[in-house]
Amino acid sequence: DARVTQTPRHKVTEMGQEVTMRCQPILGHNTVFWYRQTMMQGLELLAYFRNRAPLDDSGMPKDRFSAEMPDATLATLKIQPSEPRDSAVYFCASGPGRAEAFFGQGTRLTVV
Amino acid sequence: AQSVTQLDSQVPVFEEAPVELRCNYSSSVSVYLFWYVQYPNQGLQLLLKYLSGSTLVESINGFEAEFNKSQTSFHLRKPSVHISDTAEYFCAVSYNNNDMRFGAGTRLTVKP
Repeated sequence: DARVTQTPRHKVTEMGQEVTMRCQPILGHNTVFWYRQTMMQGLELLAYFRNRAPLDDSGMPKDRFSAEMPDATLATLKIQPSEPRDSAVYFCASGPGRAEAFFGQGTRLTVV
Repeated sequence: AQSVTQLDSQVPVFEEAPVELRCNYSSSVSVYLFWYVQYPNQGLQLLLKYLSGSTLVESINGFEAEFNKSQTSFHLRKPSVHISDTAEYFCAVSYNNNDMRFGAGTRLTVKP
């Protein structure tokens, strides 16, 4: 059963620490999305990649966030330094190129 | 600016009653339209999608949505809801096969 895998599922960290979230997209999917979900802002698109190249990361705070795809089986989202306002659920999704998105279970980040 | 509007943040209904969750989008170009469902502490699951062809699309669990280009709408309907349909529902739009934007979500609560 193909699925998007995100690790870790939960992360609690102290303010100022670096956080790395990982995503394994579904094999064969060429599009990867990163979303952030909060009660106040809902689902926000942070960045997305096609064929490992970043197409749009305008939704991401550039000073502390970075997203990469070192290879076709791994996407990473890093926050350095983390702040309490970064607390949210971060979702990775992958798609087969026709804008469909299959979501992972998310990483629940709490920055204290 | 391209946007997705879900007109109702919460919809409470009684079991076996019909329901309509409304979604409007802004666009003058081709779009792909989606409805996703999110159960507590889970990722989003694709419910149904419109890419082209018939404007009425159906899901396997009785939901349907109709693409109305003139009204730029893609409302989700079900003639008779079950307790298990209680969840958050998100409308999403992809413009020109690029990124996917989500509405704010509608929380459907089905009461016995």
